[in-house]
Amino acid sequence: EDQVTQSPEALRLQEGESSSLNCSYTVSGLRGLFWYRQDPGKGPEFLFTLYSAGEEKEKERLKATLTKKESFLHITAPKPEDSATYLCAVQANNQGGKLIFGQGTELSVKP
Amino acid sequence: NAGVTQTPKFQVLKTGQSMTLQCAQDMNHNSMYWYRQDPGMGLRLIYYSASEGTTDKGEVPNGYNVSRLNKREFSLRLESAAPSQTSVYFCASRGTADYGYTFGSGTRLTVV
Repeated sequence: EDQVTQSPEALRLQEGESSSLNCSYTVSGLRGLFWYRQDPGKGPEFLFTLYSAGEEKEKERLKATLTKKESFLHITAPKPEDSATYLCAVQANNQGGKLIFGQGTELSVKP
Repeated sequence: NAGVTQTPKFQVLKTGQSMTLQCAQDMNHNSMYWYRQDPGMGLRLIYYSASEGTTDKGEVPNGYNVSRLNKREFSLRLESAAPSQTSVYFCASRGTADYGYTFGSGTRLTVV
């Protein structure tokens, strides 16, 4: 069964304190792994897509990496505006584009 | 602005009442999806439509029906609402593979 597990459930950081969020997955054939950001009361917003092990993508203070079993979202020198819930999702081959989501990591960055 | 529009944003229903959640996208996407989001459960797929004229069940379809009215619109209907259907509902559409889904802003539904 395809499955996505994110850890930790919640993470509190001081401004400037770098850290990483983890996304572990099992999927019958990975078509893509997606990272989204979700602010309270809003829909998820696309951040990155990763397709194969070893791939990395960056956007401002965020960097996403992918191995055969997990993905990491590294946050370097975070700011309070980075506070949000970060969602990881996988898309399997031949599944009609369906995404399977993890439960998310709620990130809080204090000034 | 281009995107996915959901209506209503908030709704309170009594047990047994029915309602339809509306979703429309103006990005010419073929595929559309309905998810529900509950605390600690993540986003779970209710129904999806891979293309106009087709619909399929997702992970949690019981108690729901859908209609793909045309390429733009995909509605979700609750025939007899139950308290277990209290949730936040998101509609999404899929364009190119690189961008996964584009989500609407959600409908917060409470069933009392």
